[in-house]
Amino acid sequence: SQQGEEDPQALSIQEGENATMNCSYKTSINNLQWYRQNSGRGLVHLILIRSNEREKHSGRLRVTLDTSKKSSSLLITASRAADTASYFCATARGGGYQKVTFGTGTKLQVIP
Amino acid sequence: EAGVVQSPRYKIIEKKQPVAFWCNPISGHNTLYWYRQNLGQGPELLIRYENEEAVDDSQLPKDRFSAERLKGVDSTLKIQPAELGDSAVYLCASSPKGGEYSPLHFGNGTRLTVT
Repeated sequence: SQQGEEDPQALSIQEGENATMNCSYKTSINNLQWYRQNSGRGLVHLILIRSNEREKHSGRLRVTLDTSKKSSSLLITASRAADTASYFCATARGGGYQKVTFGTGTKLQVIP
Repeated sequence: EAGVVQSPRYKIIEKKQPVAFWCNPISGHNTLYWYRQNLGQGPELLIRYENEEAVDDSQLPKDRFSAERLKGVDSTLKIQPAELGDSAVYLCASSPKGGEYSPLHFGNGTRLTVT
């Protein structure tokens, strides 16, 4: 079963624009992670935000987390054609080990 | 470091045939996951190992799926017999340990087509 739902399902923007993807989840979490998947490839970890953090930056990526609303957003600034991929949020929960559950994904297309 | 290696990359079989997928995780990673990803969907967990112990196999269809991780390193996922609905990408991932803050490292997956 999918823990998270992403919005929008698909997004098409021009190169240089910003892309924002949202993720909503259902249960309490230890951390939330964002992954990228290029067509025909495995997922690549982008950034992890802990449940006690509200915002995190990594290069052109900015992630926010609102645990009261059970939601997160991923912002990619100054997008490039190489950012074209599917993006998934994943929630980690559980004591002792992390059960990592993925959302449904947002398919991003960046037009050169 | 070498990444997670999966083989084969693609597999086409007829229904009712058996199939096996192999995964070699990153050296030193104790935790190993098998996920199934249907077209246009996110990965769904099938089984998780801590070393050689399966600690979460609640989502594994045990009537036809089996997995093993001998010596706590490589892992094999088997389907017998395969059904049409098993067509999907099977992803293996590993992480340093099953703690709270360990991101997953994925292989490129095995794309299974059942005809």
